[in-house]
This record gives sequence, C-alpha cells and structure tokens, in this order.
Amino acid sequence: DTAVSQTPKYLVTQMGNDKSIKCEQNLGHDTMYWYKQDSKKFLKIMFSYNNKELIINETVPNRFSPKSPDKAHLNLHINSLELGDSAVYFCASSQDWTANNSPLHFGNGTRLTVT
Amino acid sequence: AQSVTQLDSHVSVSEGTPVLLRCNYSSSYSPSLFWYVQHPNKGLQLLLKYTSAATLVKGINGFEAEFKKSETSFHLTKPSAHMSDAAEYFCVVSDTGGFKTIFGAGTRLFVKA
Repeated sequence: DTAVSQTPKYLVTQMGNDKSIKCEQNLGHDTMYWYKQDSKKFLKIMFSYNNKELIINETVPNRFSPKSPDKAHLNLHINSLELGDSAVYFCASSQDWTANNSPLHFGNGTRLTVT
Repeated sequence: AQSVTQLDSHVSVSEGTPVLLRCNYSSSYSPSLFWYVQHPNKGLQLLLKYTSAATLVKGINGFEAEFKKSETSFHLTKPSAHMSDAAEYFCVVSDTGGFKTIFGAGTRLFVKA
C-alpha cells in the first residue's frame, strides 16, 4: 500500500518522560510535515522538511525535535513531556512544497496522552 | 495575509438530503483551495482541490465545490447525504505549498437516518 504510516497509533505516558513518534512515506514525496491537532480539532503545522532539510519551524518549544534521516522518514522526538502536549500528531507529505496545488497526504495520527 | 473561515462548526442533515458546508477565504495571491475529510480516528483525506482551472470542482464520493472569487467562497456540496459522510471537514487555503497552508477550524457533519 502506498501511504504515510506513523507509529505508534496511541501513546500514553507520564509527565517528564521522553518519547518518539515515527513516520514513513512511500509515495516518493520530497516534503514531509508534522501537524498537531488539539482537542477542538484545530490543526497547526509544527515542522516541515524538504529532502531532509528543515524548511518550516513554527513556534514550537525546543523540547520538540524532528529528525529526518532520509526524505522518506520524518520522526518527532519530544523531551520532558507536559500535560499540554496531549494531542493528536499527524505526519503528512506532499510532492512539492513550492507548488501551492500540491495536496497533503496524511498518516492516521498518533494520539498522545500525557498524565 | 491568508485566512480561512468555516462558517458552521456543526451541520446536521438527514440521509438523502443535500449537504452544504460553507467556507470563506482571504488570500493576497491566487490561492489553491482544498477540502479534506477526517473520519473518526483517521487522518485527513483529500476530497477535492481548486487550482485556478475550472471553478466547479468535482471530488470523490459525490462531493463538489464551487470557487467564487467575487464572494471569496469555496463551499462544499453534495446532492444527497449518506450515513458514511458523517465526519469532520476542513477547508484549506494554500498560497505557496505547505509553508502557507492554512486550515479552517473544521465543520462536523452529522447525518441522521
């Protein structure tokens, strides 16, 4: 199946822990993203990488660190987790970030719950 | 500056009746506009996109949207709702790829039997 896949699907952890979410796409896209969706379904971009290079870094705490070992993978590491980090995190990819008609392809999300 | 406003947070229709989900946008340039659907516990899926070709855009699952520049609107419609259409719908405007991609707040569509 061609897709954007992210793991794990659910992540429950305690405050102060460090956790990672992995994302892989086999669509051959150059650009990958991390989005955060809050409890009101609002989606906000966090990071974007194009061909392993960071191109978007929104106002996200330094505790969040993306890593792209190759253009098919974009992982998200979160240090010192806080209650407010609880959300659904979506990985996405697109063919060409410079073209405004290039749609996003989303993974199924990782629901992070911090207790 | 770009912005997108989905005028209804919730829409409820009966199965078999028409669906109208409203979206207004603001953009300094010629934007691309998209509608995505999100079913529970799933990622977002592209329904359709407008990219300055035909103003009436047909998408998947019988949905279509009309770009009206004079009204800065891109409303999503479907002639007859199906139970499986119940989901969250997002209107999205994009000026330059993902860098300036703005999501609306979403409209939750309920379909009653």
